[in-house]
Amino acid sequence: QKEVEQDPGPLSVPEGAIVSLNCTYSNSAFQYFMWYRQYSRKGPELLMYTYSSGNKEDGRFTAQVDKSSKYISLFIRDSQPSDSATYLCAMSYNAGNNRKLIWGLGTSLAVNP
Amino acid sequence: SQTIHQWPATLVQPVGSPLSLECTVEGTSNPNLYWYRQAAGRGLQLLFYSVGIGQISSEVPQNLSASRPQDRQFILSSKKLLLSDSGFYLCAWRRGGETQYFGPGTRLLVL
Repeated sequence: QKEVEQDPGPLSVPEGAIVSLNCTYSNSAFQYFMWYRQYSRKGPELLMYTYSSGNKEDGRFTAQVDKSSKYISLFIRDSQPSDSATYLCAMSYNAGNNRKLIWGLGTSLAVNP
Repeated sequence: SQTIHQWPATLVQPVGSPLSLECTVEGTSNPNLYWYRQAAGRGLQLLFYSVGIGQISSEVPQNLSASRPQDRQFILSSKKLLLSDSGFYLCAWRRGGETQYFGPGTRLLVL
């Protein structure tokens, strides 16, 4: 079993739809949870970063963490064609003198106009 | 503000040839630096990380090596490329905090 599981999709939705992206994890040591967006042939860029269970909102994006269920989600409201990208979840824990990030495989999202 | 550069952007190399990819960070000091490889359908694979000049940790055995000759410079090298070295190579930095920030990447094709 992988430490972080993420459905690779692809996910295709019409413009304006609400998108739900999810990751599950098995390691209770994970403390910090991140969502990155990666456009084709570009480096990943940080979208959201959360620590505790609950919701964090930033514009059209909401990150949700449920530590009891080991489940995180990213919601995109009023999705736009410009949201078409691969979304990667990442989780970090303390590993000696460094913090390690464990990555999901990414979910490919296409928002159709 | 911080900026991370990688070059070249794209590289096509024959099997058996050497490799040198460079990453530099501006606007910060003493960052943690990371090299990742991203292959289609396989996610981000951490190759090396460095917490300081001359300090390199390898995550997976392979024919690649990394060096950090200066505080904000990180180099990925190989003496002889394999077909399996093809992929998208990403450099990232972290300075305190939890999040890593990525460069634009180098797309390597080994033929």
